[in-house]
Amino acid sequence: AQRVTQPEKLLSVFKGAPVELKCNYSYSGSPELFWYVQYSRQRLQLLLRHISRESIKGFTADLNKGETSFHLKKPFAQEEDSAMYYCALEGGGNKLTFGTGTQLKVEL
Amino acid sequence: EAGVAQSPRYKIIEKRQSVAFWCNPISGHATLYWYQQILGQGPKLLIQFQNNGVVDDSQLPKDRFSAERLKGVDSTLKIQPAKLEDSAVYLCASSPYGTAQYNEQFFGPGTRLTVL
Repeated sequence: AQRVTQPEKLLSVFKGAPVELKCNYSYSGSPELFWYVQYSRQRLQLLLRHISRESIKGFTADLNKGETSFHLKKPFAQEEDSAMYYCALEGGGNKLTFGTGTQLKVEL
Repeated sequence: EAGVAQSPRYKIIEKRQSVAFWCNPISGHATLYWYQQILGQGPKLLIQFQNNGVVDDSQLPKDRFSAERLKGVDSTLKIQPAKLEDSAVYLCASSPYGTAQYNEQFFGPGTRLTVL
């Protein structure tokens, strides 16, 4: 069975501080990992995908197969980063398993 | 392009009543998904259609939930009869291609259901 764990329900940081949103997964095969984001009053949308190895809005995420982790990082938080972030795993068939989400609050 | 449309946006019913949700995916998208998101949890896949056929409904509570995607375009999700624990946001998503490989899912705004 596949599982995604996000241990923090809420993460509060000051503007300009580094951000790290934690995600751990369990999956017997070779997964594809994603971060989805939901800004206030907006739809759930894809932020980034591990296989793309790109930085989106200053965020990066590295897949660590040894630690089964896919943490989302940004060196300097901005106010507009405040949102709900979901880690998700695709284990075949284009089906996503989501974590419980972490609410990021960036304070001035 | 227009995004995934869902209606209604909000619905309040009493337990044991029936309710239906409608989804119109992005034009031309082959695959359609229904997710249930209970407060404090991530979205959970209920059913996945490719064109007008069901690919996966293993997590759909079939004693009370049903879904269809007639003509491979719009879809409806029905609950009959509703229980208190069905209170959730129901999300519809679509992706352009079939399920043989990963392709991005685009989400609708959701329908918030409250069962009293």
